[in-house]
Amino acid sequence: QKEVEQNSGPLSVPEGAIASLNCTYSDRGSQSFFWYRQYSGKSPELIMSIYSNGDKEDGRFTAQLNKASQYVSLLIRDSQPSDSATYLCAVRDSGGGADGLTFGKGTHLIIQP
Amino acid sequence: GAVVSQHPSRVICKSGTSVKIECRSLDFQATTMFWYRQFPKQSLMLMATSNEGSKATYEQGVEKDKFLINHASLTLSTLTVTSAHPEDSSFYICSAPGPSNYGYTFGSGTRLTVV
Repeated sequence: QKEVEQNSGPLSVPEGAIASLNCTYSDRGSQSFFWYRQYSGKSPELIMSIYSNGDKEDGRFTAQLNKASQYVSLLIRDSQPSDSATYLCAVRDSGGGADGLTFGKGTHLIIQP
Repeated sequence: GAVVSQHPSRVICKSGTSVKIECRSLDFQATTMFWYRQFPKQSLMLMATSNEGSKATYEQGVEKDKFLINHASLTLSTLTVTSAHPEDSSFYICSAPGPSNYGYTFGSGTRLTVV
């Protein structure tokens, strides 16, 4: 059974600091990796996607992927109170769009003003 | 950008009744729709995958006779919770691949409360 593991937190980070979120996955065949942000009572919204080993940067966000270690991370620079949310790591094992995502339980991030 | 419109956003129903949830892709064709369920403080769990013109596939442990899925067209998929019970109370979210090759578009979710 495919599993995606995240530390549930809460992870508390001072405003302006770097928040580091981690995720491991069990299926070595996984091809696509996603980070979603979910506010309470709302649907997930895509923050970053990453498909190959290394780093991918988009504004204040950097996703890191290491397939050998089956590890994905998300760094949030210059953290803002509005970044406080639950961050979900999601994995898909095929290269196309036919498979649903397997989600981790999420990390609750709190940015302290 | 791509939008999946999900309705209703909230519904309260009596135990034993049925509830229908609709998801429409507004500006792209969704041949596939994924249905997730999320209990409080839990992650999204994939329930089933609907495909336009064919039967839905259900994940292990999900009762296909209780959660009826219909994918009538390339832009509409529905989930009907039949004979709802309080334990079916949850947050239901649909998601469609696309329109790009790797992205997913999520609906806004439906909060179902069965009393």
